Amino acid sequence: DAKTTQPTSMDCAEGRAANLPCNHSTISGNEYVYWYRQIHSQGPQYIIHGLKNNETNEMASLIITEDRKSSTLILPHATLRDTAVYYCIVRVVGGAGKSTFGDGTTLTVKP
Amino acid sequence: EAQVTQNPRYLITVTGKKLTVTCSQNMNHEYMSWYRQDPGLGLRQIYYSMNVEVTDKGDVPEGYKVSRKEKRNFPLILESPSPNQTSLYFCASRSRTGESNQPQHFGDGTRLSIL
Repeated sequence: DAKTTQPTSMDCAEGRAANLPCNHSTISGNEYVYWYRQIHSQGPQYIIHGLKNNETNEMASLIITEDRKSSTLILPHATLRDTAVYYCIVRVVGGAGKSTFGDGTTLTVKP
Repeated sequence: EAQVTQNPRYLITVTGKKLTVTCSQNMNHEYMSWYRQDPGLGLRQIYYSMNVEVTDKGDVPEGYKVSRKEKRNFPLILESPSPNQTSLYFCASRSRTGESNQPQHFGDGTRLSIL
């Protein structure tokens, strides 16, 4: 699975959009991009995933660049409850079960 | 309710005393996995299982065993725990329908302290 690079930490004002970048420059054509988040020491929670098209669900939007070497998770109206560690991972379609999480980005939403 | 259940949630024990952390999922998922999380090291995969009787090593398997005799259960066994296995452990599962585009569902975690 491709390695991902994320900033260690970011701040965002409550009510504003939070844009979390992820670099996955070695991604292969058959690898999906996934985003999870972890609040305190709870189990990671799935947010969204995509292959090459932009995706949106009730939680967030995922923008993947055309060359697929990077992506951005967008939380459109961040709340204090969105303060968490956000993980970007990539995983190959139909591949083995190995799954590698990086260190993630600690997002702090401030009032 | 769809969930991954880990037990116990917290355990303090001593070096060398065998212990088992259970993990059960009610979603009929084929794939299950164990992770440990340590400060500054993120989530690291210990073992995973693609289906019943099929298990494989993740990135940090040393000191751990697993078994997958039933689809819903994937226990993590520490035969002779040591202090360096003090950590927060997570079990996860996902469906293999559509292969890798299914997300993982995580349990609430088990905090182990080995003295």
